[in-house]
Amino acid sequence: DGGITQSPKYLFRKEGQNVTLSCEQNLNHDAMYWYRQDPGQGLRLIYYSQIVNDFQKGDIAEGYSVSREKKESFPLTVTSAQKNPTAFYLCASSMRIQRYEQYFGPGTRLTVT
Amino acid sequence: KNEVEQSPQNLTAQEGEFITINCSYSVGISALHWLQQHPGGGIVSLFMLSSGKKKHGRLIATINIQEKHSSLHITASHPRDSAVYICAVRPYGGSQGNLIFGKGTKLSVKP
Repeated sequence: DGGITQSPKYLFRKEGQNVTLSCEQNLNHDAMYWYRQDPGQGLRLIYYSQIVNDFQKGDIAEGYSVSREKKESFPLTVTSAQKNPTAFYLCASSMRIQRYEQYFGPGTRLTVT
Repeated sequence: KNEVEQSPQNLTAQEGEFITINCSYSVGISALHWLQQHPGGGIVSLFMLSSGKKKHGRLIATINIQEKHSSLHITASHPRDSAVYICAVRPYGGSQGNLIFGKGTKLSVKP
C-alpha cells in the first residue's frame, strides 16, 4: 500500500540529546514537509523540501535540521538547541509543492525530559 | 488575530444529527483544505477546494471566496465521525510550502 510512515510512534529523550525522527513515503511525491503540533495550536511548518537535495525553512525552523538525500526519505533532527522540543511531529508529502493535496503520516510524539 | 478561525472549538452531537463546522480566514487564498485528525493523531485530507462545493459520501464542503468563509457539513453523523476537523488555507504570495492551519474543531458524536 502507498503511504507515509513515521517511526517511532512515541519517542522519549533526555534534555541535551539530539534525536532524529524518520519519515518515509512510497507515493513518488516530490514535496515533503515537517509540521509540529502543540496542544491548542494549529500545525506549524518546520521545514519543507520541493525536491531531492533541496529544502527550505518554514516558520519555526530554529533548533531543527533536515536532509533530503533520497526522494522517499525526509528525516528531521531535533537538536539540543530547540528550547521546547516536546510536541507531536507530523510528516507530510504532496506530488508537487503547490496546488496539491498533502498526505500525512501517523505522527511521532516526542517527549523530552 | 489568527488568520484562520474555526468555530465552534468543541462540538457534541447525537448520532444522526446534521453537523456544520465553520472556517473563516483573513487572507487571499488559492486553496482551502479540510483535514480530519483521529484520536491517535493521524491526519487524513478530506477536501481541497478553491470554489463552490465538493461532496464525498456524507461530507460536504463549501467555500465562499468573496466572504472568505468555508463550511464542512456532516450529514447523518455517526460516532466514527468523532475527530478533530482542521481547516487550512494556502495564501496567495506566501512561501511555497506554507499552509496556515486553524486550531481545529473537536467533534464528539454520541450514540
